[in-house]
Amino acid sequence: NAGVTQTPKFQVLKTGQSMTLQCAQDMNHEYMSWYRQDPGMGLRLIHYSVGAGITDQGEVPNGYNVSRSTTEDFPLRLLSAAPSQTSVYFCASSRDSALGQPQHFGDGTRLSIL
Amino acid sequence: AQSVTQLDSHVSVSEGTPVLLRCNYSSSYSPSLFWYVQHPNKGLQLLLKYTSAATLVKGINGFEAEFKKSETSFHLTKPSAHMSDAAEYFCVVRPSGYSTLTFGKGTMLLVSP
Repeated sequence: NAGVTQTPKFQVLKTGQSMTLQCAQDMNHEYMSWYRQDPGMGLRLIHYSVGAGITDQGEVPNGYNVSRSTTEDFPLRLLSAAPSQTSVYFCASSRDSALGQPQHFGDGTRLSIL
Repeated sequence: AQSVTQLDSHVSVSEGTPVLLRCNYSSSYSPSLFWYVQHPNKGLQLLLKYTSAATLVKGINGFEAEFKKSETSFHLTKPSAHMSDAAEYFCVVRPSGYSTLTFGKGTMLLVSP
């Protein structure tokens, strides 16, 4: 079982560049989300989706865009990278958003913005 | 609004001694509560969850947690630490009626021989 797959695992960008972090899950999960993890901050929610065609903002959405055209994929776009976006990014999915559903996490993308 | 406070940023134990990682939460609604573990350079793995059934929840790898509503706490325990338990642990809350999770800032567990 692949579970949640994130690509790339590592990336270095220059300020102002754009890129897309990929996330795919093969569990037919409706709910998907993106988090960033910074030292001493835990994980903070960037954007989430409760199903194909539906997305919403989380706690720290500025500078990021998402779309959900299929159930399987939930890419995260940085339109103009800034050093403050240097972080580890995690994608997660769960069967749905019902109470008690645990989230399954990818292994993360480590992003550095120079 | 919901929040999660992990009371210790670091906890150090010796192998074979008990582990206690403390978590307090605030939530306006009956929550689900989770503990996740993160090993270095890895994603988060679910240890256990509470969803308004039994207040004492057993998880993987010998961990368990007790939900105490009166104290708004969900502390994680293990009777005997192993070296492989060294990792960062996150307490997470999802209030009833909400689809999003709120994470604590994490507790790093260090296990010495």
